Amino acid sequence: GAVVSQHPSWVICKSGTSVKIECRSLDFQATTMFWYRQFPKQSLMLMATSNEGSKATYEQGVEKDKFLINHASLTLSTLTVTSAHPEDSSFYICSATVGRILDQPQHFGDGTRLSIL
Amino acid sequence: AQSVTQLGSHVSVSEGALVLLRCNYSSSVPPYLFWYVQYPNQGLQLLLKYTSAATLVKGINGFEAEFKKSETSFHLTKPSAHMSDAAEYFCAVSDRDDKIIFGKGTRLHILP
Repeated sequence: GAVVSQHPSWVICKSGTSVKIECRSLDFQATTMFWYRQFPKQSLMLMATSNEGSKATYEQGVEKDKFLINHASLTLSTLTVTSAHPEDSSFYICSATVGRILDQPQHFGDGTRLSIL
Repeated sequence: AQSVTQLGSHVSVSEGALVLLRCNYSSSVPPYLFWYVQYPNQGLQLLLKYTSAATLVKGINGFEAEFKKSETSFHLTKPSAHMSDAAEYFCAVSDRDDKIIFGKGTRLHILP
């Protein structure tokens, strides 16, 4: 079945560092990729929707300059957490789909656990 | 605005017993409803989806859910729990704007 690879799976870094997370669709071309943030014991909160070749659409309250999203190809989207601080520590999950998510499956990566010291 | 409410952040059942995870939704238009499962340190996997066809939806791993408009519910059930069913389960709703709103999740514990 369709596979979405997310890398790295775990990252620990110092406050002030910028961290890049990659999301790749391995065996299909994803027209849309989504980035979610999940706090411990809480649900997934949609951060942004990313379409290949266009600017990402951010959800209300998500800082565009803080969470940079690049969707350069149909198989790769990246999320960069700029100047990360401890409050940015969280579990970040991407997903990818072909077409509309109501009609086609949404395939999730295994997530990236980000810990900022 | 659309939303889902999952009753019970933790549910424990004995192995072999019925699993019932509750979900109520709120939507101004006929919704699409989903159940996802998440294992530790992993992404989400779709269990089943309701798209206004049959009200009883069968999913993977023996799970099913019934859409009840009068109760605005979409509860998830499985007749006989297995140890491997222990995970976090999320109910989700979409009203066709290509976004999915997730509930807060229910952690299912299976007792031997």
